[in-house]
Amino acid sequence: DTAVSQTPKYLVTQMGNDKSIKCEQNLGHDTMYWYKQDSKKFLKIMFSYNNKELIINETVPNRFSPKSPDKAHLNLHINSLELGDSAVYFCASSQGGAMIYEQYFGPGTRLTVT
Amino acid sequence: QKEVEQNSGPLSVPEGAIASLNCTYSDRGSQSFFWYRQYSGKSPELIMSIYSNGDKEDGRFTAQLNKASQYVSLLIRDSQPSDSATYLCAVISTGGFKTIFGAGTRLFVKA
Repeated sequence: DTAVSQTPKYLVTQMGNDKSIKCEQNLGHDTMYWYKQDSKKFLKIMFSYNNKELIINETVPNRFSPKSPDKAHLNLHINSLELGDSAVYFCASSQGGAMIYEQYFGPGTRLTVT
Repeated sequence: QKEVEQNSGPLSVPEGAIASLNCTYSDRGSQSFFWYRQYSGKSPELIMSIYSNGDKEDGRFTAQLNKASQYVSLLIRDSQPSDSATYLCAVISTGGFKTIFGAGTRLFVKA
């Protein structure tokens, strides 16, 4: 009964490759997020979707492209991977409404680019 | 100035003591504040939320908010070794869709 799930858990790939990370939530939430946590453990938002609509797009290279086929899914595709993309990527979801956005995180995907 | 600032620590307290974690934020219009706990190699998990000035207690945890001072804190009473983790302060920006996390404070509780 995992609330927010991500696949894969680990991803090791070479520079220049294209890869995707998938996220699914079964909480009935209408907002989903992608975060990047770097080696210094700083958690930074990348994208946010509300009801399949992109509402936050931080300063992220356009090699990163999110896609939300429905409210329960948010995928992240990364083109032309670079060494600096190595990090842990977390998906999260929340129930939108009046500034109350408690977020629930997936287990993370550890991406290593060699 | 960072949007959400925390002392990176590590903060070391003996078992049974009170651990005090602090956070300041720059967006005066922020309305929602959260504390997340993150164990090494795991994902953040929500432990407290607070929206109004004052204290909010939940078990051994107390969150304190002072919007005038743009300050939010977390007290952990009767600290246990299992509380050893990184504690992330999170603030919802004005407008309501963006959560900004602090860099986290590492807490060690010594048995």
